[in-house]
Amino acid sequence: GMPVEQNPPALSLYEGADSGLRCNFSTTMKSVQWFQQNHRGRLITLFYLAQGTKENGRLKSTFNSKERYSTLHIKDAQLEDSGTYFCAAETSSGQKLVFGQGTILKVYL
Amino acid sequence: EAGVTQSPRYAVLQEGQAVSFWCDPISGHDTLYWYQQPRDQGPQLLVYFRDEAVIDNSQLPSDRFSAVRPKGTNSTLKIQSAKQGDTATYLCASSRGLQDTQYFGPGTRLLVL
Repeated sequence: GMPVEQNPPALSLYEGADSGLRCNFSTTMKSVQWFQQNHRGRLITLFYLAQGTKENGRLKSTFNSKERYSTLHIKDAQLEDSGTYFCAAETSSGQKLVFGQGTILKVYL
Repeated sequence: EAGVTQSPRYAVLQEGQAVSFWCDPISGHDTLYWYQQPRDQGPQLLVYFRDEAVIDNSQLPSDRFSAVRPKGTNSTLKIQSAKQGDTATYLCASSRGLQDTQYFGPGTRLLVL
């Protein structure tokens, strides 16, 4: 299977809703990064985690290396949260990032 | 602190033509990455450098792609004899070390006709 499996592939939310994205890994990863790609294609770094949980405003991310998953939780979704979200995990051997396929998020009024 | 910059922003080529992409990483970042992102897919690593040394270029199509970072700062990715399958966005990223947050440039969107 794919080393990084990201779900869901697409997500629609009304403004103010909460939801989560998840990445499962086929093997133990050293760290994970979450990115938002905006409509212009720019990848914006949201989180870097080697373990545990981090929060930043309405976003919260967790990485569990042992259980081989990471999550990104969005609280009180806003229109500007629309975009494509990617997780990318650093492999234990290659010291390089492997990206998931992305989640296309659309937030509606 | 200036971010990662790339040029050009767009390129349109006929098959068989050559093109070069340029990347200026964040000052002080010793590690530089080139990714290819086909439409509707996640970025895929092509090559990365620590200073001027290539650390991994195993995913770089070596017969037509080349990448250099001669002084350990700016980098150039070149495609000789482009093919339609090379149509994608080419992203450059840099980080302070091999195990640190990567920061991405705006990308170069390539269309090969």
